[in-house]
Amino acid sequence: GESVGLHLPTLSVQEGDNSIINCAYSNSASDYFIWYKQESGKGPQFIIDIRSNMDKRQGQRVTVLLNKTVKHLSLQIAATQPGDSAVYFCAEKGSNYKLTFGKGTLLTVNP
Amino acid sequence: GAGVSQTPSNKVTEKGKYVELRCDPISGHTALYWYRQSLGQGPEFLIYFQGTGAADDSGLPNDRFFAVRPEGSVSTLKIQRTERGDSAVYLCASSLASGSYEQYFGPGTRLTVT
Repeated sequence: GESVGLHLPTLSVQEGDNSIINCAYSNSASDYFIWYKQESGKGPQFIIDIRSNMDKRQGQRVTVLLNKTVKHLSLQIAATQPGDSAVYFCAEKGSNYKLTFGKGTLLTVNP
Repeated sequence: GAGVSQTPSNKVTEKGKYVELRCDPISGHTALYWYRQSLGQGPEFLIYFQGTGAADDSGLPNDRFFAVRPEGSVSTLKIQRTERGDSAVYLCASSLASGSYEQYFGPGTRLTVT
């Protein structure tokens, strides 16, 4: 199983820089992936999703890339802003409706 | 419109006590999910309702945990004989229909068992 702990991976960037957050998933049968943003004291908030028949999807300032060969997802945030500071989770949905969340990444944007 | 709401926002209870956590999903959403989030980790699935019935309760850790959704809207997560290890944030999410992918999360209830 995946190791868990209290210490999240962290990413610190300067305001205006681009951010890249990575995620590895385990289930090769997963057909749908989602990135969530979670601010302190709040529930996860949907950012962007991608289906397994795609390798790239773009939203407003965000891009998700999917590499099924190595079971890897990334979230790219363009022109990162202080309001982007949060914990980011990837989640996968397999053959059922349940979401399985990965280990989060704490993004800190320095002004 | 209103999002998913959860009450209480914080709950402190003594070991061995019984607690109830409430979730009000988005109006019209037929699917409802409960997750538990421990410090520094991602949410973990507990139970899923489609309408009034629990379609999947495989994530409930033991028989001290139980959830209901009697009228297909509000849901209550019930924990008996609470233990310190139950301390976590309990998140509720709803989605428009079974299989509809986007789950909207509430702010969670922070449960602390002393």
